[in-house]
Amino acid sequence: QQQVKQSPQSLIVQKGGISIINCAYENTAFDYFPWYQQFPGKGPALLIAIRPDVSEKKEGRFTISFNKSAKQFSLHIMDSQPGDSATYFCAARGSSASKIIFGSGTRLSIRP
Amino acid sequence: NAGVTQTPKFRVLKTGQSMTLLCAQDMNHEYMYWYRQDPGMGLRLIHYSVGEGTTAKGEVPDGYNVSRLKKQNFLLGLESAAPSQTSVYFCASSYGTPGTKLNEQFFGPGTRLTVL
Repeated sequence: QQQVKQSPQSLIVQKGGISIINCAYENTAFDYFPWYQQFPGKGPALLIAIRPDVSEKKEGRFTISFNKSAKQFSLHIMDSQPGDSATYFCAARGSSASKIIFGSGTRLSIRP
Repeated sequence: NAGVTQTPKFRVLKTGQSMTLLCAQDMNHEYMYWYRQDPGMGLRLIHYSVGEGTTAKGEVPDGYNVSRLKKQNFLLGLESAAPSQTSVYFCASSYGTPGTKLNEQFFGPGTRLTVL
């Protein structure tokens, strides 16, 4: 049972464009929503995170938009660059607060 | 400061063989985790530990065992490997419950395991 659903599976964006990755969750007890970035051959690394008491969080070119009523959140990458090409995972902290539950991942490619 | 290291980086096993994956961290983290990553399925939690001497089951614990005898090490064992266990395995650690920048999870570089 996948508790965090992520789309699209893959995404191609032109350099300078906006990349958007979407996630939806089911469990209203989730209270922490991080995004991870993973480059080939490396482990994931925390990129940005949000709590459900705010609707948006921005760090540089990366923004999380959060819609609590719809149980959806998304990652926006502004002015996308070739160096942003990676796999992105949304995640949520589960009912047992020690555990992070991951989405299925989105492979992002930024074309020059 | 090496962060999170994993040994080995690659391994090929035959069905029924056993092996142990070693994870080590030098950040004095209390929490440690083992995940497996499969195409189209993201990362799934196998087992985790919230402190030395303690372990708990994650989403997909069957066929795996773990031990946390020392705070800095977390071992993942496969007693009788099966082809379904072919995957990339990641270890992670954190100071405490993930939810703040201080308790961020740090991941190792992964171990690619193939079971024939």
